Amino acid sequence: DIQMTQSPSTLSASIGDRVTITCRASQSISSWLAWYQQKPGKGPKVLIYKVSSLESGVPSRFSGSGSGTEFTLTISSLQPDDFGTYYCQQYNSHPCSFGQGTKLEIK
Amino acid sequence: EVQLVESGGGLVQPGGSLRLSCSASGFTFSNYAMHWVRQAPGKGLEYVSAISTYGSNKYYADSVKGRFTISRDNSKNTLFLQLSSLRPEDSAVYYCVKPYDDSISYFDYWGQGTLVTVSS
Repeated sequence: DIQMTQSPSTLSASIGDRVTITCRASQSISSWLAWYQQKPGKGPKVLIYKVSSLESGVPSRFSGSGSGTEFTLTISSLQPDDFGTYYCQQYNSHPCSFGQGTKLEIK
Repeated sequence: EVQLVESGGGLVQPGGSLRLSCSASGFTFSNYAMHWVRQAPGKGLEYVSAISTYGSNKYYADSVKGRFTISRDNSKNTLFLQLSSLRPEDSAVYYCVKPYDDSISYFDYWGQGTLVTVSS
C-alpha cells in the first residue's frame, strides 16, 4: 500500500500570507493526487484533483503542483475562511490513502 | 443535488454490532462503486471499505477485515456497513463517500458522517 506523508502537521499563518503544504508519496503516484479541506464537524470537501485541477466553486487562490512522489498545495493569499485541516489523497492505486493532515490556524 | 445521508451510529459495547446505512440521492447510484471512510476523534482519515457497482467486488482495510461487511441495495439507493465484533479503536465518524467516476478516483461528495462509539 502507498503511504502519504504531509508536512507540516500544524501551521499558523496570517491573513494575506502565502501558505504551502507538502505531501509525499512512498512511491510514484503519477498525477493521481487530490487535496481536501475539512472544517470542524463537517466531512471533507475536495479542493483540487489530478494534482492541479481546481474543483468547481473553489477559489482561485488555491493551487496544486507536483508529480511522481512530491506535491504541494498553495494558498496564494490566506483568507479567514481557509482555517481547517487539509488532507492529501492518492488514488493511483487501490486502496487509496490519505496523508495524516495539516491543521491550518489563522494567527 | 447529490446527497449522502448516513444513519445507524451510536454507543455500543465492545464486541457488539451496528449496521450503518447511507441513503444516496441526486445521482445514478447503481453506476458508482461506493466507499466508507472513517475518522477517529481528533485523528485523520482512514479508508475502510468499498463495493463495486453491483456488489460483486468488495474491499476491506486490514483493520476491519473479517469483522465488517459492506453491501448495497441499488433498488433503494442505499449503502450499508455491518460492523461486528466492535473494538474501542473502531470508535469514529463513519463517512459514506461517492467517487468522481467509476474507477480508482478521488471523492467528490461526502456525507455528514455518523458517529460510532465503542465503550463499556
